[in-house]
Amino acid sequence: QVQLQESGPGLVKPSETLSLTCTVSGGSISSYYWSWIRQPPGKGLEWIGYIYYSGSTNYNPSLKSRVTISVDTSKNQFSLKLSSVTAADTAVYYCARLAAAGRGKYYMDVWGKGTTVTVSS
Amino acid sequence: AIRMTQSPSSFSASTGDRVTITCRASQGISSYLAWYQQKPGKAPKLLIYAASTLQSGVPSRFSGSGSGTDFTLTISCLQSEDFATYYCQQYYSYLLTFGGGTKVEIK
Repeated sequence: QVQLQESGPGLVKPSETLSLTCTVSGGSISSYYWSWIRQPPGKGLEWIGYIYYSGSTNYNPSLKSRVTISVDTSKNQFSLKLSSVTAADTAVYYCARLAAAGRGKYYMDVWGKGTTVTVSS
Repeated sequence: AIRMTQSPSSFSASTGDRVTITCRASQGISSYLAWYQQKPGKAPKLLIYAASTLQSGVPSRFSGSGSGTDFTLTISCLQSEDFATYYCQQYYSYLLTFGGGTKVEIK
């Protein structure tokens, strides 16, 4: 059964770049789409973006100018970089596998446990 | 972006109750809707996709219905482990969006 695990610094300074990695175990990263979602403290879920194992991406327009998602198939990992962070980027960050219901239509069927990232000096 | 509106935002219920949560899309999304359950400190868990298809392993007391703009999640007989926050998510658009969540609390 596929499992996902997020990793990365729990504290990032304002204006710096947040970097997280999601390691996929129990299955191959190939042939699937993979996504990042975040949840600010006490708030709802926000989709950040997704990547196909081949490297094609799609980002939330509200974050697109600051987000880069990449994949390393040799390590069965995909990563998130969010630049120029502010306190508003403080959140629990989740990685997830996407199930496809057709071209461009995806929902999250497997989630990582999440990692808390705080933006503070 | 397609806006997803859930109602109510929270409510109290008792074990054994039948409960219904509503999700409305700002435009038609056919049946491209998923429901998730989230417990405190945990990741969301997929319950239902395609508006009414139960994810493998999810108890049959959960059901979903609707298409177009109006959807419902029903729990036929609320159990203690069902007290949680529930989110809907549309995947009709490439820009995936979630509802604001509905918290089901113990009465």
